[in-house]
Amino acid sequence: ETVLTQSPATLSLSPGERATLSCRASQSVSRYLVWYRQKPGQAPRLLVYDASTRATGIPARFSGSGSGTDFTLTISSLEPEDFAVYYCQQRGNWPITFGQGTRLEMK
Amino acid sequence: QVQLVESGGGVVQPGRSLRLSCAASGFTFSSYIIHWVRQAPGKGLEWVAVVWYDGSSEHYADSVEGRFTISRDNSKNTLYLQMNSLRAEDTAVYFCARDVTVGTLHAFDIWGQGTMVTVSS
Repeated sequence: ETVLTQSPATLSLSPGERATLSCRASQSVSRYLVWYRQKPGQAPRLLVYDASTRATGIPARFSGSGSGTDFTLTISSLEPEDFAVYYCQQRGNWPITFGQGTRLEMK
Repeated sequence: QVQLVESGGGVVQPGRSLRLSCAASGFTFSSYIIHWVRQAPGKGLEWVAVVWYDGSSEHYADSVEGRFTISRDNSKNTLYLQMNSLRAEDTAVYFCARDVTVGTLHAFDIWGQGTMVTVSS
């Protein structure tokens, strides 16, 4: 099973600041890495797929990068609605796995 | 609009069974692979099971293999999860999610709102 390790576990920032979230895979997943955002009490929402492609309707402040085992999600300037939990998911190996999440909280 | 709506959650004793449903609307249900994903209280996401377009193939996480059965009825646009021999560690919100695989897009693009299952005596 491919283990995804997200860091940091919690990130405390202010609106307008830049956020950098990391996801490391225990083995290569090529570019089959997806990012989701989950707000409290809601289902996850697709943000980025293929490591760097924004999903429909996702603003340009979100950008993904990486391949193989190391991936990054960057939010260039935080908006209030961005404070949530972010999960990475790999689709490169079976079974599908998720990271444990990064909580982005308002400082 | 395109949506998935889960139902069937509740409180159940250890060792008992429960069946969840996921009703799809707004898209051609039979054209998509569908998954179940769960989230224990305060925890992260865990993939549970997947069923192919026509129900011809299914796969499970090791944690539920042999106890859970995923199925679908394309005539009713509905996905099911039959959960047997439930354990306390199965307590979670259960989401159904649509799998989209087109070109480089391999992701869960539509999720239901979830249904809570609590296993407790």
